[in-house]
Amino acid sequence: GENVEQHPSTLSVQEGDSAVIKCTYSDSASNYFPWYKQELGKRPQLIIDIRSNVGEKKDQRIAVTLNKTAKHFSLHITETQPEDSAVYFCAARWALGQLTFGSGTQLTVLP
Amino acid sequence: DTGVSQDPRHKITKRGQNVTFRCDPISEHNRLYWYRQTLGQGPEFLTYFQNEAQLEKSRLLSDRFSAERPKGSFSTLEIQRTEQGDSAMYLCASSEPYEQYFGPGTRLTVT
Repeated sequence: GENVEQHPSTLSVQEGDSAVIKCTYSDSASNYFPWYKQELGKRPQLIIDIRSNVGEKKDQRIAVTLNKTAKHFSLHITETQPEDSAVYFCAARWALGQLTFGSGTQLTVLP
Repeated sequence: DTGVSQDPRHKITKRGQNVTFRCDPISEHNRLYWYRQTLGQGPEFLTYFQNEAQLEKSRLLSDRFSAERPKGSFSTLEIQRTEQGDSAMYLCASSEPYEQYFGPGTRLTVT
C-alpha cells in the first residue's frame, strides 16, 4: 500500500513569515495530492490539491509543488497569519481513490 | 447545508455494546469513504463505496465492523462488540471524483 511521510511534525513561524511543509510518497502510481487543514475539534478542510500532470499550483497565499521523479510534494504558505495556526495533513490518492495521510504538522503562527 | 453530515456527533458506549453511525454525503457524489482518526494522527482509510457497491476494505476493518450504503445514498458504519481500542473519531468523506470533502465526524468513546 501507499506510505506518506510528512515533515516537520511541528513548525513555529512569526506572523508574516513563510511556512513550508514537505511530504514524500511511496507509490509512483499515485496521481492526486491534497492538503488538509484541521483545527482542533473540527473536520479536515481541503485547502489545495495538485494532480500528477501539474508541477505547481497556487491559490492566493497557498501553493503546492510536486516533484514526481523524487516523489516529493510540498505546501508553501506565505505571509502567515495567526488564523493559519492548525494541523496540516498531506495525502496521496491511490488505487480506488482512498487517501493515505501523512502524520500531520502542527503549525503555530506567533503574533 | 449541502456539505457532508454525520450523526451522531458524539457517542459514549460501554465495552461490548454495538454502535451505528450514519453519514449523508454531498448529494451528487457517488463515492463515499470512511476513515478513522485517533488523537494526533492523520485519518486512516477504512472502506470505500461507489454508489451502493462496497469496493474496498482496509485490513483495519475487522469482522466486527460492517458498512452499508443502501441505494447509493447515505451510509452506515456499525461496530459490534465494541472494544476500548475502537475509541476514535470516525470520519466520512464524499467525492466526485477527486476532491474529498469530510463530514464533522462521530467521536466514539468506549468505556
